[in-house]
Amino acid sequence: RKEVEQDPGPFNVPEGATVAFNCTYSNSASQSFFWYRQDCRKEPKLLMSVYSSGNEDGRFTAQLNRASQYISLLIRDSKLSDSATYLCVVTQTGFQKLVFGTGTRLLVSP
Amino acid sequence: GAGVSQSPSNKVTEKGKDVELRCDPISGHTALYWYRQSLGQGLEFLIYFQGNSAPDKSGLPSDRFSAERTGGSVSTLTIQRTQQEDSAVYLCASSIREADTQYFGPGTRLTVL
Repeated sequence: RKEVEQDPGPFNVPEGATVAFNCTYSNSASQSFFWYRQDCRKEPKLLMSVYSSGNEDGRFTAQLNRASQYISLLIRDSKLSDSATYLCVVTQTGFQKLVFGTGTRLLVSP
Repeated sequence: GAGVSQSPSNKVTEKGKDVELRCDPISGHTALYWYRQSLGQGLEFLIYFQGNSAPDKSGLPSDRFSAERTGGSVSTLTIQRTQQEDSAVYLCASSIREADTQYFGPGTRLTVL
């Protein structure tokens, strides 16, 4: 079983739609959580960190449920430019490596 | 400012050859990481440097893989006797210090024929 699991998608949504991605992680020692965005043939870029209390950045909202070991990302009012692969990432205390899920692909159409 | 740079951007080699991949981190970043991304596998951690030392080499897949970092800056990832399964995108990241946000370079796409 992979340490971080995501639905690979693709999620096909029209512009303006709201879309949600979930991710589960298996290591209960995981301490830090992130969503990265990766465009085709480009490097991953940090989208947002995920905090226990949940956090919002514009149209993006991230939630963490430690008891169930899952992380979510909600995108409101989808834009064409949101089309990308969204990577769920975790780390553990004292460990510096990022552990990536395989990503969820989002396609936003006009 | 300048981001993480990697060279070459693309490398095609024959099975059995050695290759060297280079990473220039963001100036002033003390931590440097190597990852690889294979088709359908996602990104996997290879090795981490703090300064010139490598506290975590746990992700190196075999003894054909090695990496070094000199002067607390540039790092080289060397793959000896390349195999077809080594074909992947090799990504380097750096952070200003341990546990801070990692910024990725554009990667080196390695193809082993």
